[in-house]
Amino acid sequence: KNQVEQSPQSLIILEGKNCTLQCNYTVSPFSNLRWYKQDTGRGPVSLTIMTFSENTKSNGRYTATLDADTKQSSLHITASQLSDSASYICVVSARNTDKLIFGTGTRLQVFP
Amino acid sequence: EAGVAQSPRYKIIEKRQSVAFWCNPISGHATLYWYQQILGQGPKLLIQFQNNGVVDDSQLPKDRFSAERLKGVDSTLKIQPAKLEDSAVYLCASSARGRAGALGTGELFFGEGSRLTVL
Repeated sequence: KNQVEQSPQSLIILEGKNCTLQCNYTVSPFSNLRWYKQDTGRGPVSLTIMTFSENTKSNGRYTATLDADTKQSSLHITASQLSDSASYICVVSARNTDKLIFGTGTRLQVFP
Repeated sequence: EAGVAQSPRYKIIEKRQSVAFWCNPISGHATLYWYQQILGQGPKLLIQFQNNGVVDDSQLPKDRFSAERLKGVDSTLKIQPAKLEDSAVYLCASSARGRAGALGTGELFFGEGSRLTVL
């Protein structure tokens, strides 16, 4: 069964600190993996899209990594800011289907 | 470029009443999705349109939910009658390519969502 699991479920950090969010998936055959940021009360916004051949992709202070062999991805946030407080959702798609499999998200809270 | 527009942003109704949500995707986007997001969970696909045709509605509770995209542009999602468990955010998304999951297909753009509370 195609599944996407994220950890931790929630995370609290202090402003300026780094953090790493994890995403494990069982989707096969793999097509691409996306990370979305969802502010409270808003729609998800894409941060990165990674295909099978990409190991790392950065978007400002956000860096996503992908290990297609172990079926794991991480999202690293550097020098966190208060505006990083949001839910981060990992989404994986399979090569032979239109379906996107969503994780349940990690809720990040950044405190001053 | 204008984003995905949704309305209303908030709606409070009593159980057994009906409600309708509207979505206008990004201009030119062929594919439109409706997702249901219950608090603390990831979005769950309700229905996917390709132009004005339905691609996937396997998870749409068809006894009470209906959706249409008659002219292949904007779309309406209706719930009738509503149940308490329908309380959620209803997200509309669109993509330019026919297969949002396909290799090389880019972005899925979401609207701000319509938050439904059923009392």
